[in-house]
Amino acid sequence: AQKVTQAQTEISVVEKEDVTLDCVYETRDTTYYLFWYKQPPSGELVFLIRRNSFDEQNEISGRYSWNFQKSTSSFNFTITASQVVDSAVYFCALSDNAGGTSYGKLTFGQGTILTVHP
Amino acid sequence: DVKVTQSSRYLVKRTGEKVFLECVQDMDHENMFWYRQDPGLGLRLIYFSYDVKMKEKGDIPEGYSVSREKKERFSLILESASTNQTSMYLCASSLLSGLGRPQHFGDGTRLSIL
Repeated sequence: AQKVTQAQTEISVVEKEDVTLDCVYETRDTTYYLFWYKQPPSGELVFLIRRNSFDEQNEISGRYSWNFQKSTSSFNFTITASQVVDSAVYFCALSDNAGGTSYGKLTFGQGTILTVHP
Repeated sequence: DVKVTQSSRYLVKRTGEKVFLECVQDMDHENMFWYRQDPGLGLRLIYFSYDVKMKEKGDIPEGYSVSREKKERFSLILESASTNQTSMYLCASSLLSGLGRPQHFGDGTRLSIL
């Protein structure tokens, strides 16, 4: 069965520190997608990035970067020079075929609460 | 931009009431989903629908039902609300070719059952 684990429940940093959010996943499928979402205090989940299982290239978008390693089943997210506006709950999620047609169902991790202090 | 609108941000109901949570999306998406979010548990899928009048159980369907009479609207129904259904409820939608498609979420409904 598919599973996503975000072992860090809460992280607290001071502005300008770098922070890495960990995500470990389990799936039996060879074709799958991994996602990161951000949930600010307003409540709406905001899509940040998608990565498919055949593309292990790391990605950088401004202060955000993602490290995908199939060998360790991890898809970690790093924020460089964190800012107060980065304070949010961050979710990692997995979409696979689950042995059949999944309709794109997502399996979410427990979420990591990031607090960035001024 | 996709817009997913949930009818209420906050809702307070009493035990035993029948509760309706409404969700509307404006991008002609085939798939719609209902999740509940609880601290330490992340988001858990309650039900989803891939077409009008079609529905599939998610991981925690007990105590809930859904209705999809029109493509743009997906309703979650608590048949007889109980205190353990106090939670944040999130609706999402995506295109039918679902694998790999991002889901787009509404703002959530924070439901309290007294």
